[in-house]
Amino acid sequence: DGGITQSPKYLFRKEGQNVTLSCEQNLNHDAMYWYRQDPGQGLRLIYYSQIVNDFQKGDIAEGYSVSREKKESFPLTVTSAQKNPTAFYLCASSPSDNSYEQYFGPGTRLTVT
Amino acid sequence: AQSVTQLGSHVSVSEGALVLLRCNYSSSVPPYLFWYVQYPNQGLQLLLKYTSAATLVKGINGFEAEFKKSETSFHLTKPSAHMSDAAEYFCAVNLGAGGYNKLIFGAGTRLAVHP
Repeated sequence: DGGITQSPKYLFRKEGQNVTLSCEQNLNHDAMYWYRQDPGQGLRLIYYSQIVNDFQKGDIAEGYSVSREKKESFPLTVTSAQKNPTAFYLCASSPSDNSYEQYFGPGTRLTVT
Repeated sequence: AQSVTQLGSHVSVSEGALVLLRCNYSSSVPPYLFWYVQYPNQGLQLLLKYTSAATLVKGINGFEAEFKKSETSFHLTKPSAHMSDAAEYFCAVNLGAGGYNKLIFGAGTRLAVHP
């Protein structure tokens, strides 16, 4: 089945540690996105990538980093510089066919203590 | 700046009653509009989308939405609520310009359905 996988579903880390969230898609989509979701705030864009080896900062990129070495993969690293990393993280992808919709993965809930 | 406003962070209805979730947008160009649904601890699933074709859009699970340019609205409705409709609903706008599919989301509306 085609889709987006995110792993792990739940992740726990100690403050001061970097942590990498995985996102893989087999939809053959060119563009991929990372969002952060906090209660009552909707989704906020962290980073996006339109093609391999290229990515752009979104609205809240500080304290995060990404890479896009393969079309299928777009991992997100939450660094120790992110002041409030506990959140639900969603990965999405979209095709280049002007349908303008995005397809979402199941999300990773990160808790930092 | 483009934005999306969802009126009411929480909406409660009885099973069988009409569901109405409100969404207003601001955009200087014709928008593409979406409604997504999110069940607890899950990703977002597309309910329906408006892409400048018919103004009344039908989606999955009996939901529909009407694009009203004069009111800059895209309200989501369902004639008869079911218990399984309890979830969080997000309205989003995509400007579709510049080859970059940026979605701007509203803050979400949590729908509760009572027996």
